Amino acid sequence: QVQLVESGGGLVKPGGSLRLSCTASGFTFSDHYMSWIRQAPGKGLEWLAYISTTGVTIYYADSVRDRFTISRDNAKNSLYLQMNSLSAEDAAVYYCARDIWPDYFDSWGLGTQVTVSS
Amino acid sequence: EIVLTQSPGSLSLSPGERVTLSCRASQSISSDYLAWYQQRPGQAPRLLIYGASSRATGIPDRFIGSGSGTDFTLTISGLEPEDVAVYYCQQSASSRTFGLGTKVEIK
Repeated sequence: QVQLVESGGGLVKPGGSLRLSCTASGFTFSDHYMSWIRQAPGKGLEWLAYISTTGVTIYYADSVRDRFTISRDNAKNSLYLQMNSLSAEDAAVYYCARDIWPDYFDSWGLGTQVTVSS
Repeated sequence: EIVLTQSPGSLSLSPGERVTLSCRASQSISSDYLAWYQQRPGQAPRLLIYGASSRATGIPDRFIGSGSGTDFTLTISGLEPEDVAVYYCQQSASSRTFGLGTKVEIK
C-alpha cells in the first residue's frame, strides 16, 4: 500500500535552515505530483508547495515563497523541502502528501515535527 | 484567496446520531474542487471525500458529501466512536486552502 515517511525535522534556531525528506513506497512515485503541507500546534492545515512529476512545474504558497524550495529525486523515490530563514511561525508538523493535482491529496505521511527556538 | 469557513467549531453527539458539518466558501467554486479530510487524534489527515460527493477508497458509506457553489456539507449518517476526529474541508479552485476544521466528539 501507499506509504510516505517524512524525516529531517528537529530543533533549529531562528534564522536557521532545515531540509526535510519524504520517502515514498507502494506506488510509482515518478507518476505522481507531490506536495508539502504543514500544521502548526493547535492550528489547521496549510498547503506549502507542489511539484510536478518531473519537477519542471513548481508552485508555492505566498507564505513560504523565496524561503522554501521543493524538489524531488525520482530515482530515490524521494521528495524534499529545503527551508531557510526559519522563524517561530514555521514551527509545525510537516506532512508530505501525494497530490492528485489540482484537486486533492489522497495519501499523507505521518509527519515530521519542526521546532524553531533559540 | 478563497476562505473556507467551517461550522460548528465543535460538536458532541451520541453514537448513532446524524452529524452535519458545514463548509462555506468565500466565493463560488466548482464541486470538482472541494474535498473533505478526517484527522483522528495523533494521526495524519485522511481523504474522505473528493469532488464534493465522491467517497475515497475504503471510506464507509455513512460519510456523505454534498453541496455546490459556496455551501458544502459533510454528513455522517450514524456516528461511530471511531469517527471522533477533526474534519477539514479543502478547496483547489484557486491555489489550495483548508478550513479551520470541526471537532467531533462522542457524548
